[in-house]
Amino acid sequence: SAVISQKPSRDICQRGTSLTIQCQVDSQVTMMFWYRQQPGQSLTLIATANQGSEATYESGFVIDKFPISRPNLTFSTLTVSNMSPEDSSIYLCSGYRDSNEQFFGPGTRLTVL
Amino acid sequence: AQRVTQPEKLLSVFKGAPVELKCNYSYSGSPELFWYVQYSRQRLQLLLRHISRESIKGFTADLNKGETSFHLKKPFAQEEDSAMYYCALNTGGFKTIFGAGTRLFVKA
Repeated sequence: SAVISQKPSRDICQRGTSLTIQCQVDSQVTMMFWYRQQPGQSLTLIATANQGSEATYESGFVIDKFPISRPNLTFSTLTVSNMSPEDSSIYLCSGYRDSNEQFFGPGTRLTVL
Repeated sequence: AQRVTQPEKLLSVFKGAPVELKCNYSYSGSPELFWYVQYSRQRLQLLLRHISRESIKGFTADLNKGETSFHLKKPFAQEEDSAMYYCALNTGGFKTIFGAGTRLFVKA
C-alpha cells in the first residue's frame, strides 16, 4: 500500500487565523479525501479532493471554510480558514488505489486558542 | 439513511477470552464493509474487508445481510489487540462512512 505523509503533524493556532495542511502520497492514487476527527468522535468526511478541479464537499462543509487543492495525483492541501476553537480536531488525509483499500496519513492535530 | 452503528464505546476483556465487537449498518444498496484499527500512536489502517473473507491477526468478520451486521470476532484475545476499532461502510464512489469506534482493552 502507499504511504501518506502530512505536514504539520500538529499546530496551535490563534482564533481568526488560517492553517494549511499538506498531504503527500508516495505514489499516484485514484482518490484523495480529507476527514476530521473531533475529540472522542469518529471520522467525518469533509470532502473529496479532485485532481485539477474543485473539491466535492460533504453536507455541513463549505469551500470558503475548508478550501482544498489537488494539483496532481500525489499531493493535496486542506486549509482551515478563520479558525475558531470548534475547529480543534485531528485532520486526516486518505487515499485510494484501484484495490479499493483506503489508507490514511498520520493526521494533523490542530488546537485553536 | 446510511449509517454505521457501533454500540459499545469500550470493550474490556481478559487475555485469552473471546472478543466480539459489534457493528450494524443501514444501507439500501449492496454494502461493502470494512474493519479499520488504530493502535496507540499509529495511524488508522485496514484490518479486514468482508469481500476478502479472510482472517487477519486471528480476527474474522462475517457479513449478515439479514441482520445488517458485520461483527468482528476473535476467539482468544491478546494484549496486543488493544486498540481502537472502526467499522466502516463504503457507499460507492469510494466514499466511506465510519462508525463511532470501539476501544478494545485486553487485560493481562
